[in-house]
Amino acid sequence: DAGVIQSPRHEVTEMGQEVTLRCKPISGHDYLFWYRQTMMRGLELLIYFNNNVPIDDSGMPEDRFSAKMPNASFSTLKIQPSEPRDSAVYFCASSSAGVPNYGYTFGSGTRLTVV
Amino acid sequence: DQQVKQNSPSLSVQEGRISILNCDYTNSMFDYFLWYKKYPAEGPTFLISISSIKDKNEDGRFTVFLNKSAKHLSLHIVPSQPGDSAVYFCAASRNRDDKIIFGKGTRLHILP
Repeated sequence: DAGVIQSPRHEVTEMGQEVTLRCKPISGHDYLFWYRQTMMRGLELLIYFNNNVPIDDSGMPEDRFSAKMPNASFSTLKIQPSEPRDSAVYFCASSSAGVPNYGYTFGSGTRLTVV
Repeated sequence: DQQVKQNSPSLSVQEGRISILNCDYTNSMFDYFLWYKKYPAEGPTFLISISSIKDKNEDGRFTVFLNKSAKHLSLHIVPSQPGDSAVYFCAASRNRDDKIIFGKGTRLHILP
C-alpha cells in the first residue's frame, strides 16, 4: 500500500486566491482526518470524516475553510479566500474502525505558503 | 486553549544518555495517551501509547510514564541514539476510538 497520499507537496499562492488540498486515504480505511501544523499551535485537528460523512468540524477555523469527501478514496480541503495566516503544513490521516488510535496513518503533508 | 501542553520547544541530549520529554494535559476526561514522532518532510508516526489504567508502558528503548493525579506524562528514551533526533508530539484522547488532540511538539536533538 502506498500509504496516505497528499497533493500537492508544496503550494505557494497569493492572498485572496483559492487553494485546494487533496488527500487519498489508505484503501479500506473509513476514518479520514485533516490536521494543520503551525509553530504556534502545533498539530490541530480541523475536521474528520467517518464513512465519507463529516463527524466533527469544530476545528475548522473559519467559513473560509471547507472540506469534502465525495467518496471513500478522496477528500479535499479548500481555503477560499486564502490569507497569509493560513500558511502552515496541512496533514491528512486515515484509520480504520476498530483499530486503536495508533492506527492513524499520516500523509507527508502539504506545505502551504500564502504571500 | 491548549488541552495538551509541551512546554519545552526543544531539547538537546548527548548520544547514549537518557532523553526525557514532558507533557501536561488539562482535560480530566482524557483516558488514553500517545506519543508520535515526526521527521522533517514526513507525517507523524505512532511511537508508544498508554491507557489511564496503567502508570507505565515500555517498548524497547522507549518508556512512557503517566501520573494521572498530576495530569502529567513523560517519554523516556534510553539510550538516546542519533536517529532519535526528531519532533515528538504528545497526544491524548478520551478513549481509544476518539479523536486525538496533539500538543505543539518538542524537537529533540541528539548530540554526537
